[in-house]
Amino acid sequence: ETGVTQSPTHLIKTRGQQVTLRCSSQSGHNTVSWYQQALGQGPQFIFQYYREEENGRGNFPPRFSGLQFPNYSSELNVNALELDDSALYLCASSLVSGSYNEQFFGPGTRLTVL
Amino acid sequence: GNSVTQMEGPVTLSEEAFLTINCTYTATGYPSLFWYVQYPGEGLQLLLKATKADDKGSNKGFEATYRKETTSFHLEKGSVQVSDSAVYFCALSKGGTSGSRLTFGEGTQLTVNP
Repeated sequence: ETGVTQSPTHLIKTRGQQVTLRCSSQSGHNTVSWYQQALGQGPQFIFQYYREEENGRGNFPPRFSGLQFPNYSSELNVNALELDDSALYLCASSLVSGSYNEQFFGPGTRLTVL
Repeated sequence: GNSVTQMEGPVTLSEEAFLTINCTYTATGYPSLFWYVQYPGEGLQLLLKATKADDKGSNKGFEATYRKETTSFHLEKGSVQVSDSAVYFCALSKGGTSGSRLTFGEGTQLTVNP
């Protein structure tokens, strides 16, 4: 069974640029959640996708957007990057949405915005 | 809204010492409660969970009891090892329309010295 994978591992961008981060969910999982973890802080929920539809969003502006594909992999897109977007971005997959099911986290993508 | 508060860190202990990391939460209803661990350079791993009041979660010698009367979920271990050095996050999930989104505390850095 393959776990949650994320790419790239590290990324450096400049302010104003756009970035796409990718996540492959664990086999059999149909829900993907994205979290932003700033240095020294706990992860903050960005949004969740269930069967290709957004299923809940945290307190993040519209320039944070996402997609989920038929194979349940997912992308996180961030437009007009700001310095404060520098963080570790974590993807987590789970089996069912609507009630708690254990989320399995990937290793994260470290984004640095200069 | 929902929130989680952890004791301020970092925490430094000698091997075989007793560990307590305090966690309190604010939420309506009956959230599920979790402890996650993050080793250097890695994503989050679920350490233990409790889904209803008075439940005790346990794993790898760590324990935490869901106390609704004090809205707490303190993490304890009787004898820590150097390999327990990591960042520990307390988290809650409401389920329902929130799906399985997690609300995290800010984390507590634990260092265990030989």
